[in-house]
Amino acid sequence: GENVEQHPSTLSVQEGDSAVIKCTYSDSASNYFPWYKQELGKRPQLIIDIRSNVGEKKDQRIAVTLNKTAKHFSLHITETQPEDSAVYFCAASNSGYSTLTFGKGTMLLVSP
Amino acid sequence: SAVISQKPSRDICQRGTSLTIQCQVDSQVTMMFWYRQQPGQSLTLIATANQGSEATYESGFVIDKFPISRPNLTFSTLTVSNMSPEDSSIYLCSVSGTVTRLTDTQYFGPGTRLTVL
Repeated sequence: GENVEQHPSTLSVQEGDSAVIKCTYSDSASNYFPWYKQELGKRPQLIIDIRSNVGEKKDQRIAVTLNKTAKHFSLHITETQPEDSAVYFCAASNSGYSTLTFGKGTMLLVSP
Repeated sequence: SAVISQKPSRDICQRGTSLTIQCQVDSQVTMMFWYRQQPGQSLTLIATANQGSEATYESGFVIDKFPISRPNLTFSTLTVSNMSPEDSSIYLCSVSGTVTRLTDTQYFGPGTRLTVL
């Protein structure tokens, strides 16, 4: 089955800096890669996703890049703000099965 | 996206008992899933709830421990049976797709925080 590795497990940045979280996946058939943000005590919220026919996708301060050959994808957050502090999860899916396999998560702390 | 609710939001239970968690969606959805999130951990898929048929369980999860029902396209239940303290977790349902738009994008319910004493 699919295996998703996520790094780093924790990331501390100063407000205004950029943050990058990286994930690798094992199943070359995976073709859908969402990112979720989970604040303490809250549900995971989808923040951005990318499909394997696209190399990069951007939504305001958030971007995701995908390298299918290397089987890795990354989340980029620019101009970080304290409200970006949360746990971020990457996931991978083969659309044919619809199930998601999650990485272990990255705790992002943005200090004012 | 669909509005997803779960009941109860939290519960404290005695070992050996069972708890049924409900997931309700405000619109018909194609797929419903149940996840477990142990304290400080990632999300682990328990099973896919199939309408009108038995759920599809992931490795390590069995129907006797986690029976699931899905009587229609807007509702599902997960029962945690014969509970032990190791079952203390957050249980989340998620949904994807509608009858008019197939998609693998999943949206999560608010979760049920279960503590087993």
